Amino acid sequence: QQQVKQSPQSLIVQKGGIPIINCAYENTAFDYFPWYQQFPGKGPALLIAIRPDVSEKKEGRFTISFNKSAKQFSLHIMDSQPGDSATYFCAASKRNYGQNFVFGPGTRLSVLP
Amino acid sequence: EPEVTQTPSHQVTQMGQEVILRCVPISNHLYFYWYRQILGQKVEFLVSFYNNEISEKSEIFDDQFSVERPDGSNFTLKIRSTKLEDSAMYFCASSGQAGGQRTNYGYTFGSGTRLTVV
Repeated sequence: QQQVKQSPQSLIVQKGGIPIINCAYENTAFDYFPWYQQFPGKGPALLIAIRPDVSEKKEGRFTISFNKSAKQFSLHIMDSQPGDSATYFCAASKRNYGQNFVFGPGTRLSVLP
Repeated sequence: EPEVTQTPSHQVTQMGQEVILRCVPISNHLYFYWYRQILGQKVEFLVSFYNNEISEKSEIFDDQFSVERPDGSNFTLKIRSTKLEDSAMYFCASSGQAGGQRTNYGYTFGSGTRLTVV
C-alpha cells in the first residue's frame, strides 16, 4: 500500500517531443504528489507538485495530470530539450506537510538533439 | 537560493567501521530527513527528525543507525557498524513551516554523500 509505481523505466524522445511519465498509487491517504528531477551526482530537485483536489497543474513546460478515481498521475514535458535529460521520480506523501516521501522507481529520460 | 549542504561528498570505509555523515539543513527549517539511494534504484526514506527527536522512521533504519542534531546547525546520520549493503548515496533534506503550519514548504534535498563500504 505504500508503493508508488512508475513507468516507463526509460524513455527516449527527440528534441521538441512530449515525453509522458506515469505513476500510480494505492494508498488513498496520500494527498501530496511531487515530481522530482535528478541529474547524475546530484540530489533530487522539486519540479512540480499537485494535490488531489485539482486535476491538472502547469508550471512552464511541465504539466501534471491527476486522476483521483484511478489513483494515477502523470508528468508531461512540453517542447522537451536535451537539458531535460535526467531521471524523473514521482513521489507521494500522506499529508501536505513535512513528512517522508514514498518515491517511484524513476524514469531515465533522454532527449536527443 | 538556500541550500542543504552535505559533507563529505564521498566516503570510503571498511566493513564494520562507524561512519558519520554530516548535513547542514537550511537555517530556518524545522524538519530534517535522511534518505538513501542504492545505485540505480529509487530514493528510500530512512528517518525524519523534528523538535530534537525522531518523528518517523522506516524499517531500513534499524539499531545500526542513529541521528543527532548536536548543535543549532548540523544534522548527522551515524552508521555504527557498516555493512557492504550500506553502500549507497545518502541524501539529507529539510523542510520548513509557513504561516504557522507544517507544510512541505521549501522541502530541499542536499547533493548527497556517496558511501562506499569495502
